[in-house]
Formats: sequence, C-alpha cells, structure tokens
Amino acid sequence: QVTLKESGPVLVKPTETLTLTCTVSGFSFNNNRVGVSWIRQPPGKALEWLAHIYSFDEESYTTSLKSRLTISKDTSKSQVVLIMTNMDPVDTATYFCARITEGTSSHAFDIWGQGTMVTVSS
Amino acid sequence: DFQMTQSPSSLSAFVGDRVTITCRASQGFGNSLAWYQQKPGKVPKVLIYAASTLQSGVPSRFSGSGSGTDFTLTISSLQPEDVATYYCQKYDIGPLTFGGGTKVEIK
Repeated sequence: QVTLKESGPVLVKPTETLTLTCTVSGFSFNNNRVGVSWIRQPPGKALEWLAHIYSFDEESYTTSLKSRLTISKDTSKSQVVLIMTNMDPVDTATYFCARITEGTSSHAFDIWGQGTMVTVSS
Repeated sequence: DFQMTQSPSSLSAFVGDRVTITCRASQGFGNSLAWYQQKPGKVPKVLIYAASTLQSGVPSRFSGSGSGTDFTLTISSLQPEDVATYYCQKYDIGPLTFGGGTKVEIK
C-alpha cells in the first residue's frame, strides 16, 4: 500500500524557517518515474500548489513564493523535504504532500498525505 | 503568470440536477488536467485525469471534457454525497496550478 506522511512543527514563530518532511512508503524513488509536490490550504481557503520535485530531480516552484522555498529529495530515506523561510502568519495552513506518476500513465496526484497543520504565531 | 480560472466559485442545485463546472487556463497546455473532490475535513481525491479519464472507483455520473485552455467537469445527476469543493489542476509541467475551487451544495 502506497502512503505518504507529512511531519514537522505544529507551531512556528514569524520570521522562522519551516522544515516539513514527507515520508513515503509502499514505493521507491529508485527506478520509478514518480514526482512529489507540496500543496497547502489555509483554513477555509483553496488549495495552493507550492513546489514539485520530478523523478529526475528537477524542481519547480510557484512564482509568488519561489524565493522562500526549497524542495529536495532523499531517495535513501524515501523522503521529500520542503523548506520555507521567513514564515508569516498568512502561511498558517494545512500542508500536504502528494505523489504523481509521471508520463503517459499518469493519474495526476492520486496519493496524498493526510496533511499537517502549521500555525505561525508569536 | 500562469493561471487557472475556475467558475462558478459556488453553486447550489437540486438532487438530480446536471451540474457543470468550468476551468479556463491562461495558456494552452494539452490535456494534462485533473479534477479533484475535497469533502470538508478530508484530503482531496482525484476524480478525473487527462481531462476526461475517470479515476477507478469514481461514479460514472462524473465526466470531464476539454483540452488546450477550456475544461469542464460535469455531474450528470447531483447526489447528496457530492457536496464538496471541486478543484481543477494542471499537472504536466510546472507551475502545477490549481483553480480557485467550486463549492457545490444541495438546495
């Protein structure tokens, strides 16, 4: 069974750096055309795509937050990490990671983690 | 900046009604378009991928169409369990932008 699980701090202070980890199980990044995105959702608001890392390790970021985001992958640990700098209360949201199989057999983001709620407050 | 404009932002319809949601891209990109359903407090679930392919297990009353810049999600006969917010998303090459969402309610 393929699962993704997000982990990280529940509470961060303004200006701090947030580090979130997505741990995958049930599949390996090795020899699989699989990408992982980070997506967030402020309370009561819409989904916002943040960043993506492709199977070949290329990265893509949403333009509005590009200067604050870094996504990386540790294949040996089956983890994808998102770093967001200079946190602000408007960054309070549930953060999801989600998996996509790349190529013509893609079913879009068919596996999601359960999400982790991050509150930014002093 | 690439944008996905989804409309309407909300709708209310009777059980059994046909419901249509549209998504318009600021630039054409083929058919790598997905529709997701998110029920309150739940994780989004993919309904449609490749613009018109139904994900396994999704009821056949859901259908998708379109390519290029204009896409549509249709619920042929709205059911009470379809109350949710629906999102479109471009998923081939970044940015992998979501539409703003459509909240569907029952009258």
